[in-house]
Amino acid sequence: EAQVTQNPRYLITVTGKKLTVTCSQNMNHEYMSWYRQDPGLGLRQIYYSMNVEVTDKGDVPEGYKVSRKEKRNFPLILESPSPNQTSLYFCASSLRAAGEQYFGPGTRLTVT
Amino acid sequence: AQSVSQHNHHVILSEAASLELGCNYSYGGTVNLFWYVQYPGQHLQLLLKYFSGDPLVKGIKGFEAEFIKSKFSFNLRKPSVQWSDTAEYFCAVNAGEAGTYKYIFGTGTRLKVLA
Repeated sequence: EAQVTQNPRYLITVTGKKLTVTCSQNMNHEYMSWYRQDPGLGLRQIYYSMNVEVTDKGDVPEGYKVSRKEKRNFPLILESPSPNQTSLYFCASSLRAAGEQYFGPGTRLTVT
Repeated sequence: AQSVSQHNHHVILSEAASLELGCNYSYGGTVNLFWYVQYPGQHLQLLLKYFSGDPLVKGIKGFEAEFIKSKFSFNLRKPSVQWSDTAEYFCAVNAGEAGTYKYIFGTGTRLKVLA
C-alpha cells in the first residue's frame, strides 16, 4: 500500500531533550516536506527536500533540522525542544516538486 | 512573499445547502493550486488541484473549484453538501518561484454540516 508513515504518533517530552520524528514513504517520491499545524494558523511548512541531499527552509524552520540521506526517509530533528514547538506535525511527499502531496497520519508533540 | 487567504474560518450549513469557500493568493506568476480536506481524526487528503488548462476543475466527492487568474482566486464549491462533508478545508499554493518550491497553506475553514 502506498503510504507515508510517521513515528511516533504521540510524544510528550521535556524542554531541551533532543528528539527525532521519523518519516518514510514507499512511493519513490522525490519531494518530501514537514509541516506543523496549529489552531488558527493552518499548516506551515518547516522544511522541504527536492531530492536526496537537497533540503531547503520553509516558512518556520527555526528550532528544527532535517536530513535526506535516502530517498524514502526524511526525519525531523528537534535538537533542543521548547514549549512553543508543541504542535501537530505532518510529513508529506509528492512525486515531484509543486505536485500533489500525500500526507502522513501526523505526530502530536507536547513539550513541557 | 506569497500568502493564501481563506476568508471563512467557520461555516455551518444544513444538508443539501450549497457551499462556496473562498481562497485568494498573492503571487502574480504561474501557480499550482490545491484544495485539501482533513476529516475529523484523519490526515489531509487532496480534494482537487489546478496546474493549467481548464480553469474549472473537478475533484472527488462532487467538489469543484474555479481558478480566476484576474482575481487571484481559487474558490471551492459543492452544489449540495452532506453531513459527511463536515471537515476542515485548506487551500494551498505552490509557485515554484525563484527556484524554490515552498507550499503555502491558508489557515483553513472548518465546515460543519447539520443533518
